[in-house]
Amino acid sequence: AAGVIQSPRHLIKEKRETATLKCYPIPRHDTVYWYQQGPGQDPQFLISFYEKMQSDKGSIPDRFSAQQFSDYHSELNMSSLELGDSALYFCASSSRLAGAYEQYFGPGTRLTVT
Amino acid sequence: LAKTTQPISMDSYEGQEVNITCSHNNIATNDYITWYQQFPSQGPRFIIQGYKTKVTNEVASLFIPADRKSSTLSLPRVSLSDTAVYYCLVGAAYGGSQGNLIFGKGTKLSVKP
Repeated sequence: AAGVIQSPRHLIKEKRETATLKCYPIPRHDTVYWYQQGPGQDPQFLISFYEKMQSDKGSIPDRFSAQQFSDYHSELNMSSLELGDSALYFCASSSRLAGAYEQYFGPGTRLTVT
Repeated sequence: LAKTTQPISMDSYEGQEVNITCSHNNIATNDYITWYQQFPSQGPRFIIQGYKTKVTNEVASLFIPADRKSSTLSLPRVSLSDTAVYYCLVGAAYGGSQGNLIFGKGTKLSVKP
């Protein structure tokens, strides 16, 4: 079965640079979520989109923005990167008909800021 | 989302049944209980979800008492590959829920040979 695809899998950036993370949800899933997981931390919700509209915002810094495109893929844009942004970034997708809490996570993008 | 409390860590041996209990005293009427499993450097994986009584799938069972103030995830005959962090989440999973998962401190299960 198709799973959530994230790219790139690894990314190394320097402080103050920008980064773009991409997510391709499972086909026919209508909701996409972004989570950040720092070293030794629990996943933290950043932002979500339902049918290409922003649905909810969590602890997403103002330096970050995200959008969902007409083909349902989503991108997380991160600017003015800081050392503390080094983390695993997960994208998840779900279908509201199946239940919003049954989310399928991608493999993650490991971002390292030096 | 209702606040949840679960043990920080648990140890077990291969072949044993493991029960992880989660307390959620402030669960609301339309809240569901959902459990996720996470291996190191991988995304969380949905295990099971329930509302009341007992739910069973090919991976685990979920026991929910009548007052719904707690729940128990049961993993039958664990193996080394079940070593992971297990998260209990409680919230309105249906009816237009936005669904953003709020992960608390999960239970780190270590299975030994």
